[in-house]
Amino acid sequence: GQQLNQSPQSMFIQEGEDVSMNCTSSSIFNTWLWYKQDPGEGPVLLIALYKAGELTSNGRLTAQFGITRKDSFLNISASIPSDVGIYFCAGTVAGGTSYGKLTFGQGTILTVHP
Amino acid sequence: GAVVSQHPSRVICKSGTSVKIECRSLDFQATTMFWYRQFPKQSLMLMATSNEGSKATYEQGVEKDKFLINHASLTLSTLTVTSAHPEDSSFYICSARISSGNTIYFGEGSWLTVV
Repeated sequence: GQQLNQSPQSMFIQEGEDVSMNCTSSSIFNTWLWYKQDPGEGPVLLIALYKAGELTSNGRLTAQFGITRKDSFLNISASIPSDVGIYFCAGTVAGGTSYGKLTFGQGTILTVHP
Repeated sequence: GAVVSQHPSRVICKSGTSVKIECRSLDFQATTMFWYRQFPKQSLMLMATSNEGSKATYEQGVEKDKFLINHASLTLSTLTVTSAHPEDSSFYICSARISSGNTIYFGEGSWLTVV
């Protein structure tokens, strides 16, 4: 089945620094999603990408859907303490009624030091 | 905005018993819901796709007789862990796909501890 390789596994940064994380896939996805998960809670959608090459921003977050459709990155600019959490990429190849079957990356644990 | 609610948020059950977890879409209809399992410090793994009015589709390696899924209405899917064992202890998360589009919403998750 599909596999997503997400890196880095963890990051320790100072408040105000920029962050970058990425995911690569062994196969093509037609949708890439980036989520943030706080401990003990469900994932919250940050950015959704639907077209190859698409670059989308959500506040301080920017994500891109790779042209090959096998990769995506997420950037966080000017990090703040509340950015702490686990970030997951997710992709789906299914369409129609099966849309929503997501394959998740391993997650990136972000720690921001004040 | 759209909300997906799971109940209970935390449950402790004895080994050998069964426990039911509910996933509700509160303000939209969801023809399709998905169940994921997440072990501590790991990623989310899809267990099954729940389709309203039909049988669930299970991912490879997930025992359908152990994890019973029922999607009896457009707003409710239930996951029943039967004959639970300590290794079933995990964070179970559902998501719902809005019937009128491709937007997906996740529930808050349910912690299951089997003792």
